[in-house]
Amino acid sequence: GAVVSQHPSWVICKSGTSVKIECRSLDFQATTMFWYRQFPKQSLMLMATSNEGSKATYEQGVEKDKFLINHASLTLSTLTVTSAHPEDSSFYICSASQDGTRDGRRQETQYFGPGTRLLVL
Amino acid sequence: DQQVKQNSPSLSVQEGRISILNCDYTNSMFDYFLWYKKYPAEGPTFLISISSIKDKNEDGRFTVFLNKSAKHLSLHIVPSQPGDSAVYFCAASDNAGGTSYGKLTFGQGTILTVHP
Repeated sequence: GAVVSQHPSWVICKSGTSVKIECRSLDFQATTMFWYRQFPKQSLMLMATSNEGSKATYEQGVEKDKFLINHASLTLSTLTVTSAHPEDSSFYICSASQDGTRDGRRQETQYFGPGTRLLVL
Repeated sequence: DQQVKQNSPSLSVQEGRISILNCDYTNSMFDYFLWYKKYPAEGPTFLISISSIKDKNEDGRFTVFLNKSAKHLSLHIVPSQPGDSAVYFCAASDNAGGTSYGKLTFGQGTILTVHP
């Protein structure tokens, strides 16, 4: 259980084009999904929190007009990198949060997709 | 401000021995801790977690220990296997509510290499 898919797994595009990345929770419903970016040899950097049916919450320094997030259903969130530039080249990873109870307390565990490698030429 | 720190960038262990990965945190509001394993060009895989009301959680070869007073947690892998070679991230969250609910703060990761 708790499988998260991402599509596409990699994409190469020309500078100035827009790229859409899909994130799906395959076997559970996720009220909340998260989008991360990872630079080489660095940790995951949270970009935004996506809640179904509402606007995403962006982390400080992340341009919301550049990284459009849509969370249309409990199993699907999309990230669109608009007018992509070479500096947007990175590894983008989504996660879906599954609610659960551990040790008698409500806890959310994030399950991650396999990531999308974006290269902007 | 690095709220979750993994001070060892890498760890090398012989197959069959114990691997101990360490993590320190500074935010006393963190109440849920997770370990993830990650291979290059893949998303992290959830391994094991622990709530702040416990000091130990075990799942097969993996055991996580939490020392709240020291704000320190560790992941023990026994016995270590070559397939365990990967980057291990610890992460912490504050599930008490508010805008930070469910958000994870990650450490920098530790590269574990298990030699045959």
